[in-house]
Amino acid sequence: AQKITQTQPGMFVQEKEAVTLDCTYDTSDPSYGLFWYKQPSSGEMIFLIYQGSYDQQNATEGRYSLNFQKARKSANLVISASQLGDSAMYFCAMRQGSWGKLQFGAGTQVVVTP
Amino acid sequence: DVKVTQSSRYLVKRTGEKVFLECVQDMDHENMFWYRQDPGLGLRLIYFSYDVKMKEKGDIPEGYSVSREKKERFSLILESASTNQTSMYLCASSTLGGSSGHGETQYFGPGTRLLVL
Repeated sequence: AQKITQTQPGMFVQEKEAVTLDCTYDTSDPSYGLFWYKQPSSGEMIFLIYQGSYDQQNATEGRYSLNFQKARKSANLVISASQLGDSAMYFCAMRQGSWGKLQFGAGTQVVVTP
Repeated sequence: DVKVTQSSRYLVKRTGEKVFLECVQDMDHENMFWYRQDPGLGLRLIYFSYDVKMKEKGDIPEGYSVSREKKERFSLILESASTNQTSMYLCASSTLGGSSGHGETQYFGPGTRLLVL
């Protein structure tokens, strides 16, 4: 069965510092996609970054980068230069099957302090 | 700009009531999804639909049904609400992206916080 694991329930980070959020996955399908979403206290899920299993390079989107280590089955999110507005819950997800269904991890709560 | 809207942000219902949660997307997406979110469990898929009048069960379909009469609208129905259905419900949509690529990115609505008393 496919599974997504986020081992950090929560973390504090100081403003302007970088933070790494861990995500490991388990799948036997050679073709898959990995996503990171941000959920502020307002509740809406905001798409941050995507990595395909066949992509040769790590994905980057502005201050977000995905550290994709295929052999280790990990897809860690790195947020550089944290801002107060980065305080939110962050979810890692993996596409499963052929209809774009996503399986989500339990999430990591990030609090950015001044 | 992509937009997914949900009919209510907050809803309070009594046990045994029939509850309708509506979701509308304006992106002409083929796929639509309903999730529930509970602390410590992340998001769990209830039902999804890949075309009008088509539906597929997700991981936790028990106690729920869905309806998709039009491409832009996907409704979640709680036939007889129970207290264990108190949760945050999130709707999402995506295009048919094949087996890889950004096309399958799901875009979410603001969520409905449902309280069943």
